[in-house]
Amino acid sequence: SYVLIQPPSVSVAPGQTARITCGGPNIGSNSVHWYQQRPGRAPLLVMFDDGARPSGIPERFSVSNSGNTASLTISRAEAGDEADYYCQMWDSGSARRVFGGGTKLTVL
Amino acid sequence: QVQLVESGGGVVPPGRSLKLSCAASGFTFKISPMHWVRQAPGKGLEWVSFISYDGTAQHYGDSVRGRLSISRDNSKNRLYLQMDSLILEDTAVYYCVRDGVRGSLDLWGQGTLVTVTS
Repeated sequence: SYVLIQPPSVSVAPGQTARITCGGPNIGSNSVHWYQQRPGRAPLLVMFDDGARPSGIPERFSVSNSGNTASLTISRAEAGDEADYYCQMWDSGSARRVFGGGTKLTVL
Repeated sequence: QVQLVESGGGVVPPGRSLKLSCAASGFTFKISPMHWVRQAPGKGLEWVSFISYDGTAQHYGDSVRGRLSISRDNSKNRLYLQMDSLILEDTAVYYCVRDGVRGSLDLWGQGTLVTVTS
């Protein structure tokens, strides 16, 4: 089965740019979505595969996806961005959804 | 208010059964495919199961196939997860999730905790 690889942790200084990667064979040919999960809370969809943002998500969040790597970029990082972030794709051959292992973003 | 509210979690011994329920409101449930996703304590997200909008198609993750069963009642705006032959590894928060565009998961419930312990 398909496996998505994320770094366990990423650190960024306030105001700087954080990039969270999600790796998999030819992932650029698939739709990859991104979720934010704050401690004790349910996951929240923050970025669609095509770069669209759900209502309430700031423009500081953006995505890219090419080759073997998809990325979530958070510009001008804020303390409130601290959370776990998960990438997710759809195994279109079935209804299966696949998640990356998650990345803990620390803003310090 | 658009929301999903899970219930039915609890503490059970291995081998027992449990049935989770999810109440949907604020959107047209009967046209929405749905999922269950779980998260073991301190771990990442694991997709569990999918059901089509009309309940005619179901899919399961490898770790739960044959033991967990997804269903829905569109007349009650409810999604269910019947959990049989529970094992320790089923311990997790279970989220009810709405299917979104292009395979996304665009609405999540708050989750219900299932603890399997002897």
